Amino acid sequence: EVQLVESGGGLVKPGGSLRLSCAASGFAASQFTFSNLWMSWVRQAPGKGLEWIGRIISKSGGGTTDYAAPVKGRFTISRDDSKSTVYLQMNSLKTEDTAIYYCSSHIVAGAMGVWGQGTTVIVSS
Amino acid sequence: QSALTQPASVSGSPGQSISISCTGASSDVAASDYVSWYQQHPGKAPKLLIYDVSNRPSGVSNRFSGSKSGNTASLAISGLQAEDEADYYCCSYTTSSTLVFGGGTKLTVL
Repeated sequence: EVQLVESGGGLVKPGGSLRLSCAASGFAASQFTFSNLWMSWVRQAPGKGLEWIGRIISKSGGGTTDYAAPVKGRFTISRDDSKSTVYLQMNSLKTEDTAIYYCSSHIVAGAMGVWGQGTTVIVSS
Repeated sequence: QSALTQPASVSGSPGQSISISCTGASSDVAASDYVSWYQQHPGKAPKLLIYDVSNRPSGVSNRFSGSKSGNTASLAISGLQAEDEADYYCCSYTTSSTLVFGGGTKLTVL
């Protein structure tokens, strides 16, 4: 069973940067390999709903990224298939970026079938 | 890209059936066969219930079903159970190759 574990969350001042990691495991018994997975980051502000923030597709598919408007130009998603890890580099952080950040893997283009437990980012002075 | 519109709350009694709507626009729900639904219990990560409008992943109860007509998708839950009480979110692929979630619906089992 594929599992995702996020790390790197914490407290950061407005204008600061943070890099989140998402390590995937459990592929031995799976039909999937990490390198073929599309991976998304989704966040949830306190007491609010889910917000998709970005996705990276497989390298074989071009490795391209897409982002939601609120984070475009500030956040960057990358992947290291040799480490089965996807990253979220967050720059120019704002207080409204405070949220639980989940990483997820896609089962199809429009659906995320496996989710991590989330990591909390607090942007505050 | 604006969030998809869902009712803030719905409720039903055990054994009953309920439906949650998800209304979008010509750039998302209406244009996409990639509508998905997620269930989230408090303090937990979301769980995929439905993908590609009406498909259930392995292990998801057949009490959950999805459909779409025009710019509105729907999630139906039959035979309501206490453990169905949770927040539910729809999600759609967009014509810009991004994804957008609905605002979420809180289901209360009376």
